[in-house]
Amino acid sequence: QSALTQPASVSGSPGQSITISCTGTSSDVGSYNLVSWYQQHPGKAPKLMIYEVSKRPSGVSNRFSGSKSGNTASLTISGLQAEDEADYYCCSYAGSSTFVFGTGTKVTVL
Amino acid sequence: QVTLRESGPALVKPTQTLTLTCTFSGFSLSTSGMCVSWIRQPPGKALEWLALIDWDDDKYYSTSLKTRLTISKDTSKNQVVLTMTNMDPVDTATYYCARIRGVPHFFFDIWGQGTMVTVSS
Repeated sequence: QSALTQPASVSGSPGQSITISCTGTSSDVGSYNLVSWYQQHPGKAPKLMIYEVSKRPSGVSNRFSGSKSGNTASLTISGLQAEDEADYYCCSYAGSSTFVFGTGTKVTVL
Repeated sequence: QVTLRESGPALVKPTQTLTLTCTFSGFSLSTSGMCVSWIRQPPGKALEWLALIDWDDDKYYSTSLKTRLTISKDTSKNQVVLTMTNMDPVDTATYYCARIRGVPHFFFDIWGQGTMVTVSS
């Protein structure tokens, strides 16, 4: 299982929208609507932000949204805020109860 | 409230076997659909999925690390144990355990705080 490909960094000004891509293959992202996204602040554990491509857990801001097309999933953060500055990881189910994570994206709020 | 906490040695020598324990509360690993996974993160690098054990004691491993990993559970103690053999400095990482709330909902909804393991002689 090769890691899913994410851009190393994405930046935006407060209030703007940014989108992080997550590219896999037909064996993982393309085969299952089981992509999740995690936010990780420095020195902290990852936090679930999106699951099953586009669903938000209770308590996660509706500024976070997810989508998928073919082998690529995306996370969009709208109305960017300073607190959104963190690393973001996508994760896809890869069949047979296995998973693959993305390479990670550092989001910078300018 | 669901919580998970990892424990284990902070330092291991090359070639040694690492044993990590995930102690959890707020759910039972005997509940149908429930799973616990191990995930690691080398310093400054990405997350890497390692292993999963489910309520039925089925076990699944990363293809690249399968020969070195063993995952097990003690339902009565609410613990999941991961062993990794033949440790190498490249295995230096923070190791997390995380819950999957219910198959087929394959996502990690609650994570432990992580435990840092350094491999050095």
